[in-house]
Amino acid sequence: NAGVMQNPRHLVRRRGQEARLRCSPMKGHSHVYWYRQLPEEGLKFMVYLQKENIIDESGMPKERFSAEFPKEGPSILRIQQVVRGDSAAYFCASSPREGSYEQYFGPGTRLTVT
Amino acid sequence: AQKITQTQPGMFVQEKEAVTLDCTYDTSDQSYGLFWYKQPSSGEMIFLIYQGSYDEQNATEGRYSLNFQKARKSANLVISASQLGDSAMYFCAMRVKRGSNYKLTFGKGTLLTVNP
Repeated sequence: NAGVMQNPRHLVRRRGQEARLRCSPMKGHSHVYWYRQLPEEGLKFMVYLQKENIIDESGMPKERFSAEFPKEGPSILRIQQVVRGDSAAYFCASSPREGSYEQYFGPGTRLTVT
Repeated sequence: AQKITQTQPGMFVQEKEAVTLDCTYDTSDQSYGLFWYKQPSSGEMIFLIYQGSYDEQNATEGRYSLNFQKARKSANLVISASQLGDSAMYFCAMRVKRGSNYKLTFGKGTLLTVNP
């Protein structure tokens, strides 16, 4: 039973490029959370999605960031026109159902903007 | 707003000894959950233990126990019989419900080093 998968594990982008981060939840999980971890900080909530729906994006920057979780395929976190301040580790977590306290984390994607 | 405070940026412990990692929280919600996660140098987040706000017994999972003091709003993690492999960052987190969202709020973490 595969865990949460994220790819790529490491991503390097130049300022102004786009970054696409992918998250495949655990089998049977239909709820996905994205978190960002800046250096020397804890994780901060960005967005919560169910299949084809954004439920809560209150932690997502208003510009340049978007997320989706289509009916088929992985969840995608997209960052347009990246800046140095976007350099961080991005984690996704999946949950089997609404209200479950279980959130299983993926290994994270480390984004470096040069 | 929810807040998690971990006042110990770093802790050292001798192998085989017990160690307590501090965590205090702030929320006006009556129903919430408290978590501890371990993040080794490889970077992944590993779930350790969970305590619900209405649970009367302190949670235990193997060598991990959560010392839950509701009146003090503290949820300290106790690791017994430390092992070298316990060296990692440890994050305390709290979950509250907002609409249908059960998002987690994390503290800044404590770096635990276990000495041989």
